[in-house]
This record gives sequence, structure tokens and C-alpha cells, in this order.
Amino acid sequence: GESVGLHLPTLSVQEGDNSIINCAYSNSASDYFIWYKQESGKGPQFIIDIRSNMDKRQGQRVTVLLNKTVKHLSLQIAATQPGDSAVYFCAENKAGRRALTFGSGTRLQVQP
Amino acid sequence: NAGVMQNPRHLVRRRGQEARLRCSPMKGHSHVYWYRQLPEEGLKFMVYLQKENIIDESGMPKERFSAEFPKEGPSILRIQQVVRGDSAAYFCASSPRQQGVTTEQYFGPGTRLTVT
Repeated sequence: GESVGLHLPTLSVQEGDNSIINCAYSNSASDYFIWYKQESGKGPQFIIDIRSNMDKRQGQRVTVLLNKTVKHLSLQIAATQPGDSAVYFCAENKAGRRALTFGSGTRLQVQP
Repeated sequence: NAGVMQNPRHLVRRRGQEARLRCSPMKGHSHVYWYRQLPEEGLKFMVYLQKENIIDESGMPKERFSAEFPKEGPSILRIQQVVRGDSAAYFCASSPRQQGVTTEQYFGPGTRLTVT
């Protein structure tokens, strides 16, 4: 079956360092990927997305990399700040469907 | 521009009662999605609706759960005869209408349902 999973449940980084959050997916039919940030008690907040015809996309302080050969997605956060502390989810969408399949999440802890 | 709105934010029900969760999509959005999240887990898709139509309900339990998105008013997720296992956070998301292209979904703050 299709699944989206994360390698590390918790990631702890020092303030100012770069963070890398990884995600593996198994559905080769997926054509759209999204990273969400979820703070405690809140709904997921859109960070950045990427389509399967791209390898890399950059936003403000964030970069998403997509490696379709090994079905791997990563989120890079530059100069991590305390406000970045949250749970990060990757989600994928299979062509022809609108439903998103979410991974189990990585908790990012930023140490001052 | 208001975001996705959900109410109530917290809902407590006794076993056997009914729960009604409401979602108003972002202005201009005609697609609504419902997801369920258990503690320390990712979100699980339940149902995708457009106005007056259920498009994909592959994630909905076969019994007790129903959803609608009427022509006027918010989308409603209805859970009949709730059981303790229904306790979770229920999130609604919306996206704009865009033919043939998948777009990002914007989430509301969620309704936290507790069944006692």
C-alpha cells in the first residue's frame, strides 16, 4: 500500500544551525508533495510544495529537495530559529486524487 | 482574508451522542477536505467534497460518519453514536477550484473531540 514515512521522530538543533528533515515515500505515482508545520494545538500550516517534474524548490529560508529515484523528500531550514520548533509533516498526493497522504511527523526542537 | 474556520474548537460528547463539526472554507475556495488526527500521529484523510457533492469518501468509516457541503452554509462532519475511539482532532482544509492541477490545501485550527 501507499505510505509516507519519516526517518527520525525527533530532531534537535542549535539556534542558527541548518535543519534537515527527511521523508521517504513509497508511491511512485505521487506527483505532488507538500511540507506542513504544525504547532501544538493548531492546524497544519503550509510551508512549501514541489511537483514531481522538479528536483528542488526554494522559499524563504526553506528548500525542498525531491529525489524520485530513491523516493526521498527533504526539507531544509536555514538558520533555524526558536519559532521553527514544531512538528513537520510531509504529505503526498497521487495523480488524479485530491486526498493527501501524511507521514507520521518529525518533531523539531530548537535549542537556544 | 479570513482563513479556514472551524467550530466548535473543542467538543465533549458522551458515548452514544451525536457530534456535529462545522467548517467554513476560505473565501473563494470550493473544495473542502476533512482529516482526522490521533495524538502523535499524522493526519488521515476522510472525505473530499465540493458544493453539494461528495467526490471522494474513501477514508470515511462505513458507519456512523457522514459529511455534507451544502450550497449555502458550512461543511458539516457528522458522527452519530460516538464511541471513545472517535476522540481525536478533526481538521478541515480547503483549496481553490483549479481544473486538472493539484493545489495546496489550507487547514483550519481543528475541532478537538473528546468522548467520555
